[in-house]
Amino acid sequence: KNQVEQSPQSLIILEGKNCTLQCNYTVSPFSNLRWYKQDTGRGPVSLTIMTFSENTKSNGRYTATLDADTKQSSLHITASQLSDSASYICVVPRAGNMLTFGGGTRLMVKP
Amino acid sequence: GAVVSQHPSRVICKSGTSVKIECRSLDFQATTMFWYRQFPKQSLMLMATSNEGSKATYEQGVEKDKFLINHASLTLSTLTVTSAHPEDSSFYICSVGAGGRDEQFFGPGTRLTVL
Repeated sequence: KNQVEQSPQSLIILEGKNCTLQCNYTVSPFSNLRWYKQDTGRGPVSLTIMTFSENTKSNGRYTATLDADTKQSSLHITASQLSDSASYICVVPRAGNMLTFGGGTRLMVKP
Repeated sequence: GAVVSQHPSRVICKSGTSVKIECRSLDFQATTMFWYRQFPKQSLMLMATSNEGSKATYEQGVEKDKFLINHASLTLSTLTVTSAHPEDSSFYICSVGAGGRDEQFFGPGTRLTVL
């Protein structure tokens, strides 16, 4: 069964601290994995897209990793800011241009 | 990436009325658009795939007669919630399939509240 599971479900950190979000998937065949940021009341915005051959990709303070062997990905946020408070969604496409969504991690950054 | 807009951003309606939500692809001709629904603290759930010039494909459990989708042009798809009820209150998000690698670009969403 094609699934995407994320952990933790929610996370509270202090401003300036780092954090790492996890994503495990069982979608097959695998082509790529995306991390999206969704602010409250807004649509998801793409942070990174990881293909099969990519292990690490950075986008500013966001760094995504991918281990295609263990089917795991992580999103590391460095020096968190209040504006990082949002839901972070791991998404893996499957056949037919369909997307399998993880349940998301709700991150709250406190001052 | 593609720029996607939705209108309205928020709508409040009475039970039994119909509500139309527009999804526009501002800089990309989209043959395929997707409609999602998101309940609080849950992830996006695909409702239907909207294909330009043809009938939409609905996911299992989504009533096609209740959620009418029209994709009359390459830049506009509309979702009409007919005879809305309070349980239809949700966050509706559209996306445009654009570029390679099955990429989708999401609209900002429409918050529907049915009283």
